[in-house]
Amino acid sequence: GEDVEQSLFLSVREGDSSVINCTYTDSSSTYLYWYKQEPGAGLQLLTYIFSNMDMKQDQRLTVLLNKKDKHLSLRIADTQTGDSAIYFCAEFGGSQGNLIFGKGTKLSVKP
Amino acid sequence: GAGVSQTPSNKVTEKGKYVELRCDPISGHTALYWYRQSLGQGPEFLIYFQGTGAADDSGLPNDRFFAVRPEGSVSTLKIQRTERGDSAVYLCASSRQGLPNYGYTFGSGTRLTVV
Repeated sequence: GEDVEQSLFLSVREGDSSVINCTYTDSSSTYLYWYKQEPGAGLQLLTYIFSNMDMKQDQRLTVLLNKKDKHLSLRIADTQTGDSAIYFCAEFGGSQGNLIFGKGTKLSVKP
Repeated sequence: GAGVSQTPSNKVTEKGKYVELRCDPISGHTALYWYRQSLGQGPEFLIYFQGTGAADDSGLPNDRFFAVRPEGSVSTLKIQRTERGDSAVYLCASSRQGLPNYGYTFGSGTRLTVV
């Protein structure tokens, strides 16, 4: 079945890089997403990557995709206290368009 | 509208009561999704509409849950005979035609508490 796994917690110091990892099981996934959720707020789309790409960079965000290992990562450069949130990895669920989410990684940024 | 709007933002109801949760998607978005997020979990898919019809309702947990989208815009998620286990944040998302490269815009959710 389809499943998306993430580590639950990550703590970094302000100014350091953060790397959040995710593994997925559906090798036919065409799109993979990273969402950010701040307390009491909805999910904010950060970035997504199409499965024929290995890397996508968008300002401080770098997404790496290893299709062979079904591994996705999100790197945040120069992490700021405002980056503290829960980050969800999600894969596109196929023809019906639903997303399958991991449980989320809580990023804590210490000053 | 500019974003996906969900009302109410919070709902407390007694066990056994009926509730309705409303979602107003981004204007022109034909695809609409309902998800449920329990504490400490990622969102779980409930139902997907393309226009007025439910294209996939495989995520609805049982027949107490029902959703409609009669005019292809606003959607209502209805829960009958609520149970304490229904307590969660119910998220709505919309997308242009349901195509994955457009992403999905989520609302802020309705926090349902069943006491």
